[in-house]
Amino acid sequence: DAGITQSPRYKITETGRQVTLMCHQTWSHSYMFWYRQDLGHGLRLIYYSAAADITDKGEVPDGYVVSRSKTENFPLTLESATRSQTSVYFCASSPGSPDSYEQYFGPGTRLTVT
Amino acid sequence: GENVEQHPSTLSVQEGDSAVIKCTYSDSASNYFPWYKQELGKGPQLIIDIRSNVGEKKDQRIAVTLNKTAKHFSLHITETQPEDSAVYFCAASETGGSYIPTFGRGTSLIVHP
Repeated sequence: DAGITQSPRYKITETGRQVTLMCHQTWSHSYMFWYRQDLGHGLRLIYYSAAADITDKGEVPDGYVVSRSKTENFPLTLESATRSQTSVYFCASSPGSPDSYEQYFGPGTRLTVT
Repeated sequence: GENVEQHPSTLSVQEGDSAVIKCTYSDSASNYFPWYKQELGKGPQLIIDIRSNVGEKKDQRIAVTLNKTAKHFSLHITETQPEDSAVYFCAASETGGSYIPTFGRGTSLIVHP
């Protein structure tokens, strides 16, 4: 099915562990984004990618690593998880072109760091 | 960089009333202004957007207005229904270079039956 998917949907991990959140889109959109959503802060951009092999930092990149070797995948890695990274993470994709700038969001991953 | 302020943070209305959510932005180069609706447990979904060459856009009970001079834009929902209850986000972005939307902090709309 076409769309944008995230996995896992729920994750509990311990402080100091590495964890990777996966994001996959089937539209071949150029742009992909990672946001975290915390109460009172709305959606804060962690990293974004304008195309395969092109990534850049957003508002809150510290403690996170991304890669984009293929257009359809944009994994987010927490190298050494901290409690402050407990959050809901959303991946989004967009054509980012004059035809459409709409962002399509995944269902989210709820991450708890204990 | 762009800064988007959104008000109010919470809005409570009776079914059938109108609801208005307002956003201001700081970067005069911004030219694309979408609104997203986020239902509980789901990702945000685009409900309407407006580009800077248009002052107003309507889609059934939803309308968005843009005042480029004052750098503010608003979402208007008429004849609200309980299913309109959700969190609404505004965003602003420039589309000429890298496309990096900046979001407001969200408005929790509660429609009471």
